[in-house]
Amino acid sequence: GAVVSQHPSRVICKSGTSVKIECRSLDFQATTMFWYRQFPKQSLMLMATSNEGSKATYEQGVEKDKFLINHASLTLSTLTVTSAHPEDSSFYICSALGINEQFFGPGTRLTVL
Amino acid sequence: SQELEQSPQSLIVQEGKNLTINCTSSKTLYGLYWYKQKYGEGLIFLMMLQKGGEEKSHEKITAKLDEKKQQSSLHITASQPSHAGIYLCGADPGSARQLTFGSGTQLTVLP
Repeated sequence: GAVVSQHPSRVICKSGTSVKIECRSLDFQATTMFWYRQFPKQSLMLMATSNEGSKATYEQGVEKDKFLINHASLTLSTLTVTSAHPEDSSFYICSALGINEQFFGPGTRLTVL
Repeated sequence: SQELEQSPQSLIVQEGKNLTINCTSSKTLYGLYWYKQKYGEGLIFLMMLQKGGEEKSHEKITAKLDEKKQQSSLHITASQPSHAGIYLCGADPGSARQLTFGSGTQLTVLP
């Protein structure tokens, strides 16, 4: 299957700082990418849909000014957690939409101290 | 919105035993995906089912979608420690654009 990478895999930051997470489709072009959040022992919750060249579509309850998404190219989408707080600590997973399937990245573990 | 219920939430089995995980949808499924996840890692695609009554197998894992396309089951035969992980079902509302995930089933296989 197609390969999607995420960077970094783990990040620890201080409260109030911003953190950028990258999601790359390595062997195909993806006009649509998705960002999910997963709390321990819970399922994946869709945060937003990222469309190349246009604004992201956020799910209800997700602050767009808090979680900035940029999909500047067909192979890269970034999620920036601005002014991070401990409650933002979570596992963030991206996926890239192929023809009929989503391909998932390995996830990024964010810990905010 | 589509809701998916998975059962059981967790499962502990002895190596070699068979097991079944269920996924029930509140609406008719266009497509149903099964994924496996190791804690703190990404999702591994297992199978996708689209047609009512469809059944697919890969190695010792078999997934079925019922005729009404509202329930799917994942069956593992002769489980091994390598099968341990979190199993997630995901519902496709029509285009794989926005998958809704079930709550997951944590599987532990005791050697």
